[in-house]
Amino acid sequence: AQSVTQLGSHVSVSEGALVLLRCNYSSSVPPYLFWYVQYPNQGLQLLLKYTTGATLVKGINGFEAEFKKSETSFHLTKPSAHMSDAAEYFCAVSLNQAGTALIFGKGTTLSVSS
Amino acid sequence: EAQVTQNPRYLITVTGKKLTVTCSQNMNHEYMSWYRQDPGLGLRQIYYSMNVEVTDKGDVPEGYKVSRKEKRNFPLILESPSPNQTSLYFCASSFLGTGELFFGEGSRLTVL
Repeated sequence: AQSVTQLGSHVSVSEGALVLLRCNYSSSVPPYLFWYVQYPNQGLQLLLKYTTGATLVKGINGFEAEFKKSETSFHLTKPSAHMSDAAEYFCAVSLNQAGTALIFGKGTTLSVSS
Repeated sequence: EAQVTQNPRYLITVTGKKLTVTCSQNMNHEYMSWYRQDPGLGLRQIYYSMNVEVTDKGDVPEGYKVSRKEKRNFPLILESPSPNQTSLYFCASSFLGTGELFFGEGSRLTVL
């Protein structure tokens, strides 16, 4: 069975600091991995996805994530946090490239202070 | 503008009173899905549909029904709502094969 674990329900950083949001997955087959972001009072939107190929994936708003099969991880990073990055971030895994039946992690709330 | 539209956005109802949350997308997506979001539990899938007249259960389908009579619409029906269905509901859609879900803005439902 697939599962997703996001380490840390809340992460706080200062503006300009590195953002690191952790995600580990469990899957019996090669996974398809996604990061979504949810801004206050909005629906989720896709940040980036890994299906096949290059293990370092670049997304919108300067975020990137690296698929590490040996560590079963897909951590999200951004070199320099901006106030507008404050949101809830969800890691998700799917067994198929279609992204159907996504399994979401419980989410990590990112706070950015000035 | 490409979008997924849900209605109502907010609803307070009472136990047992049937309600429908509508979802419509204008992107010609084959795939549509309903999720509920609860604090500390993240998003859990209720039902999904791969195409017209094709629906399947997600992880938490009990107490819900769906239909997919047209490609653009995917209503969520609560025949007899109960307080444990108080939640924030999201509809999402995508083209099969992309993995990129487009979400509606959510419908906050309270069942008293």
